[in-house]
Amino acid sequence: QQQVKQSPQSLIVQKGGISIINCAYENTAFDYFPWYQQFPGKGPALLIAIRPDVSEKKEGRFTISFNKSAKQFSLHIMDSQPGDSATYFCAAGSGNTGKLIFGQGTTLQVKP
Amino acid sequence: EPEVTQTPSHQVTQMGQEVILRCVPISNHLYFYWYRQILGQKVEFLVSFYNNEISEKSEIFDDQFSVERPDGSNFTLKIRSTKLEDSAMYFCASRFTAAGEQYFGPGTRLTVT
Repeated sequence: QQQVKQSPQSLIVQKGGISIINCAYENTAFDYFPWYQQFPGKGPALLIAIRPDVSEKKEGRFTISFNKSAKQFSLHIMDSQPGDSATYFCAAGSGNTGKLIFGQGTTLQVKP
Repeated sequence: EPEVTQTPSHQVTQMGQEVILRCVPISNHLYFYWYRQILGQKVEFLVSFYNNEISEKSEIFDDQFSVERPDGSNFTLKIRSTKLEDSAMYFCASRFTAAGEQYFGPGTRLTVT
C-alpha cells in the first residue's frame, strides 16, 4: 500500500528528445507528488511537484502529468540535454507527517 | 538561497561504535526528516520530527536510532551501536509546513567496517 512503483529503471535519450518516466501508487491518502533529481554523490534536489487537484504542471522543460483515477503520474523532460543525465526519483507523500515514499529511481542518460 | 547542510560528508566507523550525524535545516523550517539510501537503491524514510518530538518512524528506525534537536539550529541522528548494514548515505530534509516542499541536504556517507 505504501509502495511507489517507478519505470523504466534506465533510459537513454538523444539530445533534444523527450524523456518520459512513469510512476504508480496504491495509497489514495497520498496528496503530494514530487520529483527529485540526483547526481552521483549528491542529495536529491527537488525538481517539480504536483498535488491531485491539477492534472498537469509545467516548469520550463519539465512537466508532470497526473492521472488521479489511474493513480499514476509521470515526468516529461522536453528537449533533453546531456546536463539532464542523472537519476530521477518520483515520490509520494501525505500531509500528516509529510514523509515521502520514493520510487526505485530512473537513471537517465542523454546522448549528445 | 537557503539550504540544508550536513556534517560530516563522510564518516567511517567500526561496527559497534556510536555515530552522530549532524544537520542544519533551513532556518525557518519546522518539520525535519532523516532518510537513508543504500548504494544503488531508493531513498528510504527513517523518521520525521516536529515540535520536539518524533511524529512518525519507519521499521528501520529501531531502538539503535535516536534523533534530537539540541538547539534552535541543529538536528542530529544518533546510531548507538552501528552494524555493517547501516552503511549508507543518510540525508536530512526539512520543510516549513507539513504540506510544503521538502528540501534535502547533501548527505553523509556512513561506512561501517
